[in-house]
Amino acid sequence: SQQGEEDPQALSIQEGENATMNCSYKTSINNLQWYRQNSGRGLVHLILIRSNEREKHSGRLRVTLDTSKKSSSLLITASRAADTASYFCATDLPANSKLTFGKGITLSVRP
Amino acid sequence: DAGVIQSPRHEVTEMGQEVTLRCKPISGHNSLFWYRQTMMRGLELLIYFNNNVPIDDSGMPEDRFSAKMPNASFSTLKIQPSEPRDSAVYFCASSRQGVLNEQFFGPGTRLTVL
Repeated sequence: SQQGEEDPQALSIQEGENATMNCSYKTSINNLQWYRQNSGRGLVHLILIRSNEREKHSGRLRVTLDTSKKSSSLLITASRAADTASYFCATDLPANSKLTFGKGITLSVRP
Repeated sequence: DAGVIQSPRHEVTEMGQEVTLRCKPISGHNSLFWYRQTMMRGLELLIYFNNNVPIDDSGMPEDRFSAKMPNASFSTLKIQPSEPRDSAVYFCASSRQGVLNEQFFGPGTRLTVL
């Protein structure tokens, strides 16, 4: 099964609303990363949060990490139509040190 | 910087043919990754290199798949012979040393095996 699993699988919101996406994982990690993928394109790195960090901001993005619950959330504030994309969380496993991606969340922002 | 460059962008071939995908990583990046993305299985790591040396190829599905990195600026992923189930989008990504850093993805190669 996936190390990182996102939920919901799909999210549809109105422009201007906030979008919250969650990621859960099973074993301890060194860091957790969020990526965005626009249709027909490669993944683009959004933000990296280390296991000793609890919250990180980048522009309209806010990422939290709760290592006790083994979960992370990505919040996009004041969403725009251009935020429509798939969002992936990726976690590393200290044991084998490679990045594992979840199945992704499809976000649709209606203008 | 031009980013990670992949070629071709699209490839349509017939079952049994050899397919070669190419990747040029970002200059100065020491790690290179090959991924495969399908609707059913999501994004799977096939193999990654550090300093041109293959580190983990446990994701390579079978012996029909092989990857090389002859120098720091070029890598290939070869499938021989190709099968319809190999149809997917193949991504190359690169990063500064190690898998824990952010990865920069190329635009991908969409492979269709008929």
